[in-house]
Amino acid sequence: AQTVTQSQPEMSVQEAETVTLSCTYDTSESDYYLFWYKQPPSRQMILVIRQEAYKQQNATENRFSVNFQKAAKSFSLKISDSQLGDAAMYFCAYRSPSDSNYQLIWGAGTKLIIKP
Amino acid sequence: DTGVSQNPRHKITKRGQNVTFRCDPISEHNRLYWYRQTLGQGPEFLTYFQNEAQLEKSRLLSDRFSAERPKGSFSTLEIQRTEQGDSAMYLCASSLGQDFNSPLHFGNGTRLTVT
Repeated sequence: AQTVTQSQPEMSVQEAETVTLSCTYDTSESDYYLFWYKQPPSRQMILVIRQEAYKQQNATENRFSVNFQKAAKSFSLKISDSQLGDAAMYFCAYRSPSDSNYQLIWGAGTKLIIKP
Repeated sequence: DTGVSQNPRHKITKRGQNVTFRCDPISEHNRLYWYRQTLGQGPEFLTYFQNEAQLEKSRLLSDRFSAERPKGSFSTLEIQRTEQGDSAMYLCASSLGQDFNSPLHFGNGTRLTVT
């Protein structure tokens, strides 16, 4: 069974600096999808970025980018120029195309603190 | 796109009482998920609908939990004979179509406190 591990329960970064959140996963599949979701204190979970495993190019969305290392089964999220609004819980999630119900397997989350 | 709406936002109930939560997904979304989340943890899957059909239910879900999605639109989650361990945030999410890349859109959740 697939698992997702986020080894950093909490991270802090100075405003305007760069921070990297780590995520590793375990799977025997070759094709899958990976997601980072953000959950601010208001609680609504929001998609930050997604990556298809068959794509070698790392996904980028403005200040957010990923470092996808398929062989190492690593999917880290880099946030550049951190802003106060980036403070949230960040969850890494995995989806298998063999799951017809489109289920997501979630990590335990990393709490990101932005220091002004 | 008005987003996923969940009601109520907060619910406090006494142990043993029944509670019902409602989720209104994004109108064209055919897939609807219920999750439970406790503080500092990721979402825990409860159940899933494709249109009006309930296709999957977590083995962790006791018989006190039931969900419906009549007519494939809004969904309700009922918990009977609530226990203190049921205290959590209950999240609803919806998504569209056949694309495995399609993201989930979440509501704000319903926070349940059982006293």
